[in-house]
Amino acid sequence: AQSVTQLDSQVPVFEEAPVELRCNYSSSVSVYLFWYVQYPNQGLQLLLKYLSGSTLVKGINGFEAEFNKSQTSFHLRKPSVHISDTAEYFCAVSDQGLTGGGNKLTFGTGTQLKVEL
Amino acid sequence: DARVTQTPRDKVTEMGQEVTMRCQPILGHNTVFWYRQTMMQGLELLAYFRNRAPLDDSGMPKDRFSAEMPDATLATLKIQPSEPRDSAVYFCASGLDISYEQYFGPGTRLTVT
Repeated sequence: AQSVTQLDSQVPVFEEAPVELRCNYSSSVSVYLFWYVQYPNQGLQLLLKYLSGSTLVKGINGFEAEFNKSQTSFHLRKPSVHISDTAEYFCAVSDQGLTGGGNKLTFGTGTQLKVEL
Repeated sequence: DARVTQTPRDKVTEMGQEVTMRCQPILGHNTVFWYRQTMMQGLELLAYFRNRAPLDDSGMPKDRFSAEMPDATLATLKIQPSEPRDSAVYFCASGLDISYEQYFGPGTRLTVT
């Protein structure tokens, strides 16, 4: 089974400042990794994903994440945030179907990013 | 722009009533997921279908919840009887099993009084 830990439940940051949202995972098999964003009163939207290849993944809205296998981490970063980035961010992991679970995702508990003026 | 649609968007009902939530997955997607989101529990997977067959419903209370896919364009989640603790936002998501991406609908906000 996999698990995802998002240690920061809330991250306040000023507009135009950089931000990093942390995500660590645990799995006995190789994984695929995802970040989703949820704006108020909306469903989740895929920000970016790591399936294979370069460990630095670029996504929508200027976000990027780096897969670090030795640290079992997949932290999300943005060099300069905007008010419109205020939302909840979820890290998720899939076991590539290797344990028979198909393409289920295991989600973290989410990090609320609040961008202030 | 293909999207997952869910109906109703909001539902208020009294305890003991039956509730049915519907989801139309994106055309061509072969996996469908039902999630429940609450402040206390976060995002919980209730059920998972692939090619309309249920693969995993271990997260669903079996005595009152049921999930079905009558056809490839419709997934339903039914609660009978509903209880106040079922109050939550219920999301449907669809995807292709080869890509591992999931596309979420806007959710159904259920309030059971």
